Amino acid sequence: SQTIHQWPATLVQPVGSPLSLECTVEGTSNPNLYWYRQAAGRGLQLLFYSVGIGQISSEVPQNLSASRPQDRQFILSSKKLLLSDSGFYLCAWRTPAYGYTFGSGTRLTVV
Amino acid sequence: AQTVTQSQPEMSVQEAETVTLSCTYDTSENNYYLFWYKQPPSRQMILVIRQEAYKQQNATENRFSVNFQKAAKSFSLKISDSQLGDTAMYFCAFMNLLGIQGAQKLVFGQGTRLTINP
Repeated sequence: SQTIHQWPATLVQPVGSPLSLECTVEGTSNPNLYWYRQAAGRGLQLLFYSVGIGQISSEVPQNLSASRPQDRQFILSSKKLLLSDSGFYLCAWRTPAYGYTFGSGTRLTVV
Repeated sequence: AQTVTQSQPEMSVQEAETVTLSCTYDTSENNYYLFWYKQPPSRQMILVIRQEAYKQQNATENRFSVNFQKAAKSFSLKISDSQLGDTAMYFCAFMNLLGIQGAQKLVFGQGTRLTINP
């Protein structure tokens, strides 16, 4: 069966520090992968998506970047975190018929 | 660009009552999917129900059903016999079926916070 793993679950980072969030998918090949951010418990904003290794599309210009070094691995990064980067980050993969399956999320607090 | 609007930021009902959450969307496309996702306090996003736009019959999953009005671009969720475990944020979402697969993005509404009271 297909599963999606996301870590860490919680992260507290100082302003100006780097960030690396990782997402991996099991049980499928060449998945379409997505990073979303949810601020203040409201709607989800699409940040990046990837249809294959090395292919990244950015939806919103910002302080973050994404990479896909392996088929089932999707990484969200930042060189220097801002206070405004705080939020809840969700990774997802597109299933053929059921929309998206989401990871369990990472709660990031920038202090 | 597609947009999804949920006009009810918060709702509260008593256990066992029926509640309807509203959702409207804007698109010029004809083929698309609509979804309702539930986000409990754990913040895990859970698929509740899915509707294909080409299907006239409204989707149903146990106590959850939708009223899909394609011409009106309306997609409401009805929860019957509500339970305490239904307390969560509910998000309506839209996905078009055009373009390359990666471009078939989920666009979310702002959510409705539903509280089921004992």
